[in-house]
Amino acid sequence: DSGVTQTPKHLITATGQRVTLRCSPRSGDLSVYWYQQSLDQGLQFLIQYYNGEERAKGNILERFSAQQFPDLHSELNLSSLELGDSALYFCASSVITGNTIYFGEGSWLTVV
Amino acid sequence: GESVGLHLPTLSVQEGDNSIINCAYSNSASDYFIWYKQESGKGPQFIIDIRSNMDKRQGQRVTVLLNKTVKHLSLQIAATQPGDSAVYFCAENPTGANNLFFGTGTRLTVIP
Repeated sequence: DSGVTQTPKHLITATGQRVTLRCSPRSGDLSVYWYQQSLDQGLQFLIQYYNGEERAKGNILERFSAQQFPDLHSELNLSSLELGDSALYFCASSVITGNTIYFGEGSWLTVV
Repeated sequence: GESVGLHLPTLSVQEGDNSIINCAYSNSASDYFIWYKQESGKGPQFIIDIRSNMDKRQGQRVTVLLNKTVKHLSLQIAATQPGDSAVYFCAENPTGANNLFFGTGTRLTVIP
């Protein structure tokens, strides 16, 4: 158990809908990262927050957005969902930027 | 952009043999490297890390070797066990970067 908690674990939704994925980082970690992993693919970096502020942006679509709240938990919002958005979405956290990051178990999103 | 690649997408080894998983990186400014293990349906799990001021680091049954001259990283697993079957990712953190860049992964299969 990495200490990073993600909810929900599984989610099935229809195209065009909007979902929110939630992440609680490890205790004491200030930095939160979101990654997307499609079937048999590598980890695609989406976005990173540090202590509530956006620090880095990767290949995140405009339909996706994220935020980190004062209690350091983070949410990833996915809207106007398409079939191709079906993937595993991982949250990870680290004490500081650039240090070892620890992953949660992921949220499986299936868009039908 | 950064490119972290793997020489072999799949690797099969007999139980009890040693495994070597290779990784090439392209950013000579990277100063921190991590190996992760991902079992099916789970989040990537930290295995071992190494900083650029080191050539070798050992853990329990695992050793990471770093060759900065040719920008090559390897993970050695001693006495490979069925529980080692997973996808292994290398990741690099370029100096000043806010996130890790992952390779596409190598699938290790241990044959009993």
